[in-house]
Amino acid sequence: SQQGEEDPQALSIQEGENATMNCSYKTSINNLQWYRQNSGRGLVHLILIRSNEREKHSGRLRVTLDTSKKSSSLLITASRAADTASYFCATEPLGGANSKLTFGKGITLSVRP
Amino acid sequence: NAGVTQTPKFRVLKTGQSMTLLCAQDMNHEYMYWYRQDPGMGLRLIHYSVGEGTTAKGEVPDGYNVSRLKKQNFLLGLESAAPSQTSVYFCASSTHMRETQYFGPGTRLLVL
Repeated sequence: SQQGEEDPQALSIQEGENATMNCSYKTSINNLQWYRQNSGRGLVHLILIRSNEREKHSGRLRVTLDTSKKSSSLLITASRAADTASYFCATEPLGGANSKLTFGKGITLSVRP
Repeated sequence: NAGVTQTPKFRVLKTGQSMTLLCAQDMNHEYMYWYRQDPGMGLRLIHYSVGEGTTAKGEVPDGYNVSRLKKQNFLLGLESAAPSQTSVYFCASSTHMRETQYFGPGTRLLVL
């Protein structure tokens, strides 16, 4: 069953603009992670945010988490052509020690030079 | 430090043939996973392992078997391939189920 759902499904922006991607989920979580996948490659971890955190930064990336709305957003500032990729949110639901990470279907981001 | 490696990178099978996909990690991670990625479906967990000698079913385990005889290796087997198993297969590893997962480059499998 799909836990996280990303929005929009596809996003096209000009280089230098900011890109905002959203993820909503249905059940309470321990943590939420964002991953990037370049075409033909494996996923690369970007940021992990825990349920007791509201915001995290990593370079040009900013992730927020609103547990009351069961949603998260990933902001990429000053986008570059190299940011063109698919972005996935993954949620770890509350549960036992082996609660499994569930991935959304992904957002395709295109950054035009 | 190679991280997570997968072999082969690409394979074509005929319906009914068998094959084994190999995943190896050099990060001493306890947890390993096999996912499949299909267009419009995201990643779906096939099987996973919480340590050497253990395996467990994920979301879509039918038609696949796995083994974790050594901590660093996680094998995915297809005993009798079907066209529905055409997909890209990713292996991943982590220190714990809830922590960052490190992915391999993927194996593209085409079943004719």
